[in-house]
Amino acid sequence: AQSVTQPDIHITVSEGASLELRCNYSYGATPYLFWYVQSPGQGLQLLLKYFSGDTLVQGIKGFEAEFKRSQSSFNLRKPSVHWSDAAEYFCAVARRAAGNKLTFGGGTRVLVKP
Amino acid sequence: GAGVSQSPRYKVTKRGQDVALRCDPISGHVSLYWYRQALGQGPEFLTYFNYEAQQDKSGLPNDRFSAERPEGSISTLTIQRTEQRDSAMYRCASRHSLQGPTEAFFGQGTRLTVV
Repeated sequence: AQSVTQPDIHITVSEGASLELRCNYSYGATPYLFWYVQSPGQGLQLLLKYFSGDTLVQGIKGFEAEFKRSQSSFNLRKPSVHWSDAAEYFCAVARRAAGNKLTFGGGTRVLVKP
Repeated sequence: GAGVSQSPRYKVTKRGQDVALRCDPISGHVSLYWYRQALGQGPEFLTYFNYEAQQDKSGLPNDRFSAERPEGSISTLTIQRTEQRDSAMYRCASRHSLQGPTEAFFGQGTRLTVV
């Protein structure tokens, strides 16, 4: 069974500093990869996705992620964090053969210090 | 509609009661998914439909949980004889196409509290 691990439960970062959130997955082949953000009281919003091709993908709100097949990782980065980036971030994987149902990691909560 | 709509947004029910949670997907979206998210955890898959056909219900925790999508649009997730452990956020998502990789769009969820 596929699984997704987000090793960091909480991360605190100063406004303007860079941010990197880690995501590792366990699956025999390359799945589809996603990062979602959940702000308080809000639904899940897609930040970016990787299906194939260029392993560095750009998303909304200035986020990017890099797929590394050798490490089974899909880490999310932002060069300069804004206070509005405080939220919970979820990495997820899906397989077309499994109906594209998503398997999520446990999430990383990001706190932004002024 | 413009987005995935779930109702009610909040539901408080007494233990033993039945509840029905509704999901109205984005118009024209073929696939519809239900997830459950406990506090402090990521969402977990429950079941999904392509059109009106339930394709996979492997994530439903027990036979008190059921879902339907009779006309291939709106879906209802029903929990019978609710228990306190059923308290969670229930999320619905829809996808446009069966073909190729496409993203899922999520509704704002229904927060269920069983007291």
